[in-house]
Amino acid sequence: DQQVKQNSPSLSVQEGRISILNCDYTNSMFDYFLWYKKYPAEGPTFLISISSIKDKNEDGRFTVFLNKSAKHLSLHIVPSQPGDSAVYFCAARGAGNNRKLIWGLGTSLAVNP
Amino acid sequence: DVKVTQSSRYLVKRTGEKVFLECVQDMDHENMFWYRQDPGLGLRLIYFSYDVKMKEKGDIPEGYSVSREKKERFSLILESASTNQTSMYLCASSRLAGVTDTQYFGPGTRLTVL
Repeated sequence: DQQVKQNSPSLSVQEGRISILNCDYTNSMFDYFLWYKKYPAEGPTFLISISSIKDKNEDGRFTVFLNKSAKHLSLHIVPSQPGDSAVYFCAARGAGNNRKLIWGLGTSLAVNP
Repeated sequence: DVKVTQSSRYLVKRTGEKVFLECVQDMDHENMFWYRQDPGLGLRLIYFSYDVKMKEKGDIPEGYSVSREKKERFSLILESASTNQTSMYLCASSRLAGVTDTQYFGPGTRLTVL
């Protein structure tokens, strides 16, 4: 049973526009969330994270929003660039002494020139 | 910068062979992980280790074993490779002991079992 869900397997956006990638989770004990980007034939790279005590975290073109009541987070990329084309994974960390991350299945973003 | 290296980018093995995948990290991280990534299935955790000689099963440990004799090195072993183990294998490490921290990944090993 997927505890972290990325319901859109793929997304296509025009260059310069906003990309919004969504992630839903089921476990209210998750206390930290991360977004990773993955290019083909490479390992995932950490992009941005957010603690459950915040509702927004921004880093350059990337902003993550957290809505705890809805158990929903989203990653906004503004403006989108062709180099942003990749698979984006959402991951969540359980509270307490937990060494594992729970991963979504990923959303493939294509940014068209 | 954290660097996680994996011994091979591409590997082709035959069914029944014993396969070793090596991972080395250079940042003195406590935790190390092995995942496999398959289309439509995301990242699935095979095993992880939070200390030398310590290991814990992940979500899909069957058919795999691991070894961590030194802090910087974490090996994944396929005792008898099968075709359903054809996959992309990803190693990761994280800094803090006892707490899930940001994981840093290696480039991956694309394993094909014929």
